[in-house]
Amino acid sequence: DAGITQSPRHKVTETGTPVTLRCHQTENHRYMYWYRQDPGHGLRLIHYSYGVKDTDKGEVSDGYSVSRSKTEDFLLTLESATSSQTSVYFCAIREQALADGTQYFGPGTRLLVL
Amino acid sequence: SQQGEEDPQALSIQEGENATMNCSYKTSINNLQWYRQNSGRGLVHLILIRSNEREKHSGRLRVTLDTSKKSSSLLITASRAADTASYFCATDENQGAQKLVFGQGTRLTINP
Repeated sequence: DAGITQSPRHKVTETGTPVTLRCHQTENHRYMYWYRQDPGHGLRLIHYSYGVKDTDKGEVSDGYSVSRSKTEDFLLTLESATSSQTSVYFCAIREQALADGTQYFGPGTRLLVL
Repeated sequence: SQQGEEDPQALSIQEGENATMNCSYKTSINNLQWYRQNSGRGLVHLILIRSNEREKHSGRLRVTLDTSKKSSSLLITASRAADTASYFCATDENQGAQKLVFGQGTRLTINP
């Protein structure tokens, strides 16, 4: 499972509250990614990181911010959660030993914004 | 926007039959990958085919790639109940951005 954990695994929150999701990896991978998965949309990239303090936006970055102060942790923050951010969030790492871009995924976080 | 479009969106077959899923994409790619997702779980990498390859096998999986048509297919032979899952194609675009772009997936159900 490439040593990827996500916390929390489930969260219910109210509109307007801040929410932070954590992705933790144990194998020192350089690239980390946050996706959201919604019915009919597959996986869409929110933000990704290519090193400590190095991040970039993905396809659906509005309303989200990220931080990576340590190699092992990649945090996704919803500054003021909205109902449209109800989704399943997946973290992934890229196996850098392979040049082909294979990604390994965490178990996901189910977020419900009421 | 999504790079890959998958067809069909859902597929239901009997155990033992073969299952074929298709993926089309829009831009040039380094490689195309297929992932499986069991209900409530994260995605698991199945197989990768590079842009200079036309066919690849792994166990009961066969992947083809036609770069002229910008399409790929995943064939699962002799299906089993445990193959019930959603299957996604993902393209590694030829832009050095280290990102994958996923299709919307095919939901495969294997009936015993």
